Amino acid sequence: EAQVTQNPRYLITVTGKKLTVTCSQNMNHEYMSWYRQDPGLGLRQIYYSMNVEVTDKGDVPEGYKVSRKEKRNFPLILESPSPNQTSLYFCASSFSGGTSTDTQYFGPGTRLTVL
Amino acid sequence: AQSVTQLGSHVSVSEGALVLLRCNYSSSVPPYLFWYVQYPNQGLQLLLKYTSAATLVKGINGFEAEFKKSETSFHLTKPSAHMSDAAEYFCAVRVDTGRRALTFGSGTRLQVQP
Repeated sequence: EAQVTQNPRYLITVTGKKLTVTCSQNMNHEYMSWYRQDPGLGLRQIYYSMNVEVTDKGDVPEGYKVSRKEKRNFPLILESPSPNQTSLYFCASSFSGGTSTDTQYFGPGTRLTVL
Repeated sequence: AQSVTQLGSHVSVSEGALVLLRCNYSSSVPPYLFWYVQYPNQGLQLLLKYTSAATLVKGINGFEAEFKKSETSFHLTKPSAHMSDAAEYFCAVRVDTGRRALTFGSGTRLQVQP
């Protein structure tokens, strides 16, 4: 089954304790992206990757890091989480071929609470 | 820069009634427009997308949307609501840039009353 998986689905942590949220896709997609969803704000892009070893900032990258060492994986790293990073996080992937209308497929989300 | 406005954070309809969820966009270049649905505790699922091939776009679950350039709108409709349509709906726009970021509206929560 074609899918985007995220782990963990739920996480409660404390300020300053480094954490990683994993994202993996099995569709051989080149493009991957992280979004955060906050009430009343919709989804905002954090980072994206056009392919292996190619990453760039989205709209709200502060406090986050990413890496793309393998095509299928795109982990989101919070080196020193703060309460304002409490949010619902989504990973997405798509082909990045010639068409701009390639559908982005979303993972199930990771609900993060930083105390 | 592009943006999306969804009018009405909550919409309530009766089962069998028309569903109309409003979306207006702003973009300085031809946009690509999407509607996603999010069921409770789930990720986002694509309902339909506008790719400039046709202004009336049909999607899954009986939904459709019409692109109106003169009104900069992409409203989502369904002739007859079903209880299973209760969810949150997001309109999104993307312009043809390398970043491929979707700019989302703030979402509309649809309630369907029996």
